[in-house]
Amino acid sequence: AQSVTQPDIHITVSEGASLELRCNYSYGATPYLFWYVQSPGQGLQLLLKYFSGDTLVQGIKGFEAEFKRSQSSFNLRKPSVHWSDAAEYFCAVGPPWGKLQFGAGTQVVVTP
Amino acid sequence: GAGVSQTPSNKVTEKGKYVELRCDPISGHTALYWYRQSLGQGPEFLIYFQGTGAADDSGLPNDRFFAVRPEGSVSTLKIQRTERGDSAVYLCASSPDSQTGELFFGEGSRLTVL
Repeated sequence: AQSVTQPDIHITVSEGASLELRCNYSYGATPYLFWYVQSPGQGLQLLLKYFSGDTLVQGIKGFEAEFKRSQSSFNLRKPSVHWSDAAEYFCAVGPPWGKLQFGAGTQVVVTP
Repeated sequence: GAGVSQTPSNKVTEKGKYVELRCDPISGHTALYWYRQSLGQGPEFLIYFQGTGAADDSGLPNDRFFAVRPEGSVSTLKIQRTERGDSAVYLCASSPDSQTGELFFGEGSRLTVL
């Protein structure tokens, strides 16, 4: 069975500081991994995805994520957060045709 | 508009009533998905259409839930005999095909069953 765990329900970070969001997954086959962001009043938006190849993937808005097969992890990072990064972030695993299993999400609050 | 459009944005109904939620995907997108998001949870898969047919409906919780996409574009999620536990935000997403892995989500329809 596939599952996704996001250990941190809520993270507070200062503007300009670095951010790392954790994601651990369980999947029976080669995992396809995704990070989505959900801002208030907006639909979920894809930040980045990993299908194969280079384990460090770059996404939009300055985000990157690293796939570590040995740790079953796909952590999201940003070197310097902006106030506009305040949102809820979801890690997901599944096949590319879209039946995704989402984690419960991590709420990110950015303080001045 | 250019994005996925969902109507209504909010729906309040009484237990036992019938509800329809509509999704208008991005033009040209062949794949369409319905997810449900309960408070404090991530989206939960319900059903996936490729064209007019339901390619995977394994996430529908029971036979009170049904979805159609008769012309391969607009989709309607239908819930019969609503229950309080059906209260959630129902999300629709579309994709240009079933292999890119990128889903474009609408803002959702918030359903409240009293």
